[in-house]
Amino acid sequence: EDKVVQSPLSLVVHEGDTVTLNCSYEVTNFRSLLWYKQEKKAPTFLFMLTSSGIEKKSGRLSSILDKKELFSILNITATQTGDSAIYLCAVESFRDMRFGAGTRLTVKP
Amino acid sequence: SAVISQKPSRDICQRGTSLTIQCQVDSQVTMMFWYRQQPGQSLTLIATANQGSEATYESGFVIDKFPISRPNLTFSTLTVSNMSPEDSSIYLCSAGTSGRGEQYFGPGTRLTVT
Repeated sequence: EDKVVQSPLSLVVHEGDTVTLNCSYEVTNFRSLLWYKQEKKAPTFLFMLTSSGIEKKSGRLSSILDKKELFSILNITATQTGDSAIYLCAVESFRDMRFGAGTRLTVKP
Repeated sequence: SAVISQKPSRDICQRGTSLTIQCQVDSQVTMMFWYRQQPGQSLTLIATANQGSEATYESGFVIDKFPISRPNLTFSTLTVSNMSPEDSSIYLCSAGTSGRGEQYFGPGTRLTVT
């Protein structure tokens, strides 16, 4: 059965810290891996990754995919309190789209 | 990107009744989806709403319980039928233009069944 596993499940840091969130997967017929940020109800799209080794970057956030080892990381540098959210990893296959349980990040001032 | 609205934003319903949730996208999109997010859990895909034809349901979800309509490229409805307290959840609509990949989510509908 397809699986998407995120770690850690929760993380508490202080402003200015750098964090790394992990997403590993076992999916048949992989198409893409996506990261979303969920603050209240609606997840907002961050990145879509399809190729190994190519870093995607947006401001303080960056992400990379390793299709050989079947994982992705999401890095956030110089964290701010506004980064507090649940970060969701999702993997799209030809069959469906499966979300991980999410990592709850809390950034303290 | 697309801007998505949902109605209602929340509702409290009695067991055995049905609720229809509406999803409106501000531009024509190829794909529309419905998700459920139960308390403390991640998102689970219910179905893909197909324009002009029956929705494609994921394992564990059936049309009789969650009938879906998509009459055009910008609008879809999800009905939660014969509700029970286990249906209490947030229901989210999403839309995308390229497969299931990059999706944009609506604000969600918080449903409580008593």
